[in-house]
Amino acid sequence: KNQVEQSPQSLIILEGKNCTLQCNYTVSPFSNLRWYKQDTGRGPVSLTIMTFSENTKSNGRYTATLDADTKQSSLHITASQLSDSASYICVVTDTGTASKLTFGTGTRLQVTL
Amino acid sequence: EPEVTQTPSHQVTQMGQEVILRCVPISNHLYFYWYRQILGQKVEFLVSFYNNEISEKSEIFDDQFSVERPDGSNFTLKIRSTKLEDSAMYFCASRIDPTGELFFGEGSRLTVL
Repeated sequence: KNQVEQSPQSLIILEGKNCTLQCNYTVSPFSNLRWYKQDTGRGPVSLTIMTFSENTKSNGRYTATLDADTKQSSLHITASQLSDSASYICVVTDTGTASKLTFGTGTRLQVTL
Repeated sequence: EPEVTQTPSHQVTQMGQEVILRCVPISNHLYFYWYRQILGQKVEFLVSFYNNEISEKSEIFDDQFSVERPDGSNFTLKIRSTKLEDSAMYFCASRIDPTGELFFGEGSRLTVL
């Protein structure tokens, strides 16, 4: 069964600090991996999408990495801002059912003063 | 910027009642999806829809659920006889092709009493 596990479950950091969120997956065959940001009570918004051949991708202060061999991904947030407070969800698509994404449980990030 | 819109934002209903959740996908998108997220849990796939028919559905999407694209713009999710456990946030999503970026709506919160 396809699974996506994320860690930590929650994280509190001071504004301006960096942080790294982790994602491990057992989705096969692999098509792509996305990181989404979900504000409380809102829909997920895509941050990055990575295919098998991509190792790193940046979107502003967000940098995602992918190691397809170990089936791990990370999302690094640089110089955090209060508005970064949200859940960050790792989502993996398999090539067998491209329409069906496997969602992780998310990491709840809180950025404080 | 084009967006997926959903109505209502919040609906409260009595157990056993029928509910229709409405979505207007992005206009040039061809693939449509419904997901749900029970409070505190991960996002779960319900159903995908393409070319006026269901392409895939999950085990959650039983006979109580149905989807329809009644006209060129709306995409609806109907729950025939709601149960307490149907209480969740329901997200509509769309994309232009099967592997493209998935755009989510803001969600419809359903509360079943």
